[in-house]
Amino acid sequence: LAKTTQPISMDSYEGQEVNITCSHNNIATNDYITWYQQFPSQGPRFIIQGYKTKVTNEVASLFIPADRKSSTLSLPRVSLSDTAVYYCLVGNQAGTALIFGKGTTLSVSS
Amino acid sequence: DTAVSQTPKYLVTQMGNDKSIKCEQNLGHDTMYWYKQDSKKFLKIMFSYNNKELIINETVPNRFSPKSPDKAHLNLHINSLELGDSAVYFCASSVTGGVERSTEAFFGQGTRLTVV
Repeated sequence: LAKTTQPISMDSYEGQEVNITCSHNNIATNDYITWYQQFPSQGPRFIIQGYKTKVTNEVASLFIPADRKSSTLSLPRVSLSDTAVYYCLVGNQAGTALIFGKGTTLSVSS
Repeated sequence: DTAVSQTPKYLVTQMGNDKSIKCEQNLGHDTMYWYKQDSKKFLKIMFSYNNKELIINETVPNRFSPKSPDKAHLNLHINSLELGDSAVYFCASSVTGGVERSTEAFFGQGTRLTVV
């Protein structure tokens, strides 16, 4: 699976938009980009997945440039409850083990 | 309805003991996993089971053995527990499919194992 690089940590305030960028220079043609969120004392939770351009759901947006070597998870108007670790993963084979990197610890303050 | 459930949630035991953690999923998925999250919060894959066949084993000590009585269950047995086994263990499940299928996995709430 392609290796990913994310910032170790980010800080934000309530109500702000947060953008977390992930680099995946070796992404393969068939790879999808998936983001997970993990709250303390809980298992990771799927947020969003995309292949190219932009994907939006009720939780977040995912922006993927044409070269697909990076992606940006956008969280609109964060709240304290968005404080969590966010993981970026790339892969293409459903049913194969997800390989997690170190993730980005997002801290939201009031 | 809990999609992926693990029991127990907390487990405190002495070195040298043998223990088991149970995992059940009611999603109809055919692939299940065990992950270990250590004190540094790194999530590491331990095992992956597809249709009752082990397909991944990431250099895990043979004291750890997964047991899958059926597609809905993947239990983790640990023999001769060591201090370094203390961690949070997560069970997860997903569907199996070819390229371009969603790789969404569902995780349990975790089992915090403390070896004293």
